[in-house]
Amino acid sequence: DGGITQSPKYLFRKEGQNVTLSCEQNLNHDAMYWYRQDPGQGLRLIYYSQIVNDFQKGDIAEGYSVSREKKESFPLTVTSAQKNPTAFYLCASSLSVLYGYTFGSGTRLTVV
Amino acid sequence: DQQVKQNSPSLSVQEGRISILNCDYTNSMFDYFLWYKKYPAEGPTFLISISSIKDKNEDGRFTVFLNKSAKHLSLHIVPSQPGDSAVYFCAASTSHSGGYQKVTFGTGTKLQVIP
Repeated sequence: DGGITQSPKYLFRKEGQNVTLSCEQNLNHDAMYWYRQDPGQGLRLIYYSQIVNDFQKGDIAEGYSVSREKKESFPLTVTSAQKNPTAFYLCASSLSVLYGYTFGSGTRLTVV
Repeated sequence: DQQVKQNSPSLSVQEGRISILNCDYTNSMFDYFLWYKKYPAEGPTFLISISSIKDKNEDGRFTVFLNKSAKHLSLHIVPSQPGDSAVYFCAASTSHSGGYQKVTFGTGTKLQVIP
């Protein structure tokens, strides 16, 4: 079955720690994205990558970093510089925006 | 600056009736519009899209209408079913540098279909 796998589903982090969220897809999509969802807000773009070894900042990239060493993988690191990291994080991939994104099931990150 | 707005945070509809979800936008450069459905603790799933050169697109029970002059689009679900209860996100895309299509999402409308 083709799709996007995000892990873990729930993640707890102590303040001051970096944490990496995994995102893997087997859809052969070139483009991948990371979004953040907060209560009462729409999805906000953190980073995107249109091709391997290339990625661009989205609207709220501060405090985050990504890598795209393989087509299938687009991990997101939430660094200690992110002031308010508690949120629901969604990874997505697409062939074309016209056909919509395929989203993973999300990772809920809580800072304790 | 919220370029895509869903002014109704929630909507309740009786099973079998029509559900109408609304979305307004401000950027006239948007060229595609999309609707996504999201269940709690899951990622959104793509429902339907429409190009800015069209005014209607239909897929089964789902129809999206686009009124460019009013910068308004709507999603009609007929007939509504209890399984349609979810949060619906409106999204709009525009061409960005390097051929990237930048997608902007609305804040979502929570639809409850009452059996």
